[in-house]
Amino acid sequence: SAVISQKPSRDICQRGTSLTIQCQVDSQVTMMFWYRQQPGQSLTLIATANQGSEATYESGFVIDKFPISRPNLTFSTLTVSNMSPEDSSIYLCSAAQANNEQFFGPGTRLTVL
Amino acid sequence: AQSVAQPEDQVNVAEGNPLTVKCTYSVSGNPYLFWYVQYPNRGLQFLLKYITGDNLVKGSYGFEAEFNKSQTSFPLKKPSALVSDSALYFCAVRDGNSNSGYALNFGKGTSLLVTP
Repeated sequence: SAVISQKPSRDICQRGTSLTIQCQVDSQVTMMFWYRQQPGQSLTLIATANQGSEATYESGFVIDKFPISRPNLTFSTLTVSNMSPEDSSIYLCSAAQANNEQFFGPGTRLTVL
Repeated sequence: AQSVAQPEDQVNVAEGNPLTVKCTYSVSGNPYLFWYVQYPNRGLQFLLKYITGDNLVKGSYGFEAEFNKSQTSFPLKKPSALVSDSALYFCAVRDGNSNSGYALNFGKGTSLLVTP
C-alpha cells in the first residue's frame, strides 16, 4: 500500500485568498486524484491529476478555481483560488496503481472566513 | 454513468452482535467495488475490494462483503461488532472498463454506532 501525506493538515483562511495543498506519495503511482468532502457529505471528485499535463476536471470544477500540478509520479498540488466560505471543506488526495484500490491522504481541513 | 446508494444514514448495533451496512450500485460495465472507513478527523482507510473471483471478499479488521450481481449489492458485514468499529463507512464503485477512468464514485456514507 502507498502512504500519502498532505500539507497543511488544516488551515483557516480569509475570503479572497488562495491556498495550495501539497500531496506526497511514498512510491511511484499511476493515478492521483483530488476529492472534496464538504461537512457531513460524501466525497466528490474534483479532478484527476495527470503527470506532466493538465488535470482532467469533473463537471462543476474548473482549472481557474482549482489549479492542479503533478510534476512527477509521487507529488501533486491543489490550489483553492479566490476562496469563499463555500470552499470550506476537507480536501483529500488519493493515489492508485491502475486497477487497484485507491489510498487516501489524511486530508486538509480548510475553513474560509 | 455509475452510482452508489447507501440507504441507511446510521446503523446501530450492540457490541458482539453481527453488523451489516447496505450498499447497492449501478454501473454500465463490470463493477469494481470498494469499502472504506473514516474515523473522526481522519482520512479514508481502505477495508476491502471486489474486482473479480469469489463473491465473498474478506478485508481488514474482520470485515467482509459479498458481491451479488443479480441484486447489484455489496453489503459490508462483520460477525461480531466492536465498539471501536464505530465510524463512517463509505461504499464506492467504478466501472472496470478502463475507458471509463479510474476515479471512484462514493455513496453518501453510513454512520455505524456500536454500543457496549
